[in-house]
Amino acid sequence: TQLLEQSPQFLSIQEGENLTVYCNSSSVFSSLQWYRQEPGEGPVLLVTVVTGGEVKKLKRLTFQFGDARKDSSLHITAAQPGDTGLYLCAGESGTASKLTFGTGTRLQVTL
Amino acid sequence: DAGVTQSPTHLIKTRGQQVTLRCSPKSGHDTVSWYQQALGQGPQFIFQYYEEEERQRGNFPDRFSGHQFPNYSSELNVNALLLGDSALYLCASSFGPGTNSPLHFGNGTRLTVT
Repeated sequence: TQLLEQSPQFLSIQEGENLTVYCNSSSVFSSLQWYRQEPGEGPVLLVTVVTGGEVKKLKRLTFQFGDARKDSSLHITAAQPGDTGLYLCAGESGTASKLTFGTGTRLQVTL
Repeated sequence: DAGVTQSPTHLIKTRGQQVTLRCSPKSGHDTVSWYQQALGQGPQFIFQYYEEEERQRGNFPDRFSGHQFPNYSSELNVNALLLGDSALYLCASSFGPGTNSPLHFGNGTRLTVT
């Protein structure tokens, strides 16, 4: 069984601070996706990383896929209240529809 | 362009009952996947439907079954409900079952079993 563990589970920071969320597994994935989920809504895809060592930037968010394609990180610079939500990583090892999701990191950004 | 729609949004059932959840995929999508998200956890894959057939299945008992209709919409049925079935049930649609088409999720159905 493939498992994806995220850390930290909870993070409460003030506006303007930086943070990093980690997603780790003992399994190799062909790609890894990051989602953000807000209360009462479904997850929304932020980014997909495919190549080991790949780095992608989405405004203040930087995503990295580990060289061995077993882990990933999400770094947020100068966090804003609008970044508040549940961040989920999800690994794909077969088809894009059968994703293995991580345990999630709940981020709260306060003024 | 309508996204993925799910109904109902909330549902309360009693142990032992049966429930049917419904999903309409995003326009242009033909593949529907269902996920269960327990409180405080990440979603878990239940199964995927394409061309009206179950194509892949996660580690869920036979009490969980589904159906896909010719218009690509889908239903998730759960029989003999247990307290542990209480969760947010998410439907996700995509184009094709085995491609890298991104998943688009609905807002889910919150099922409470008492």
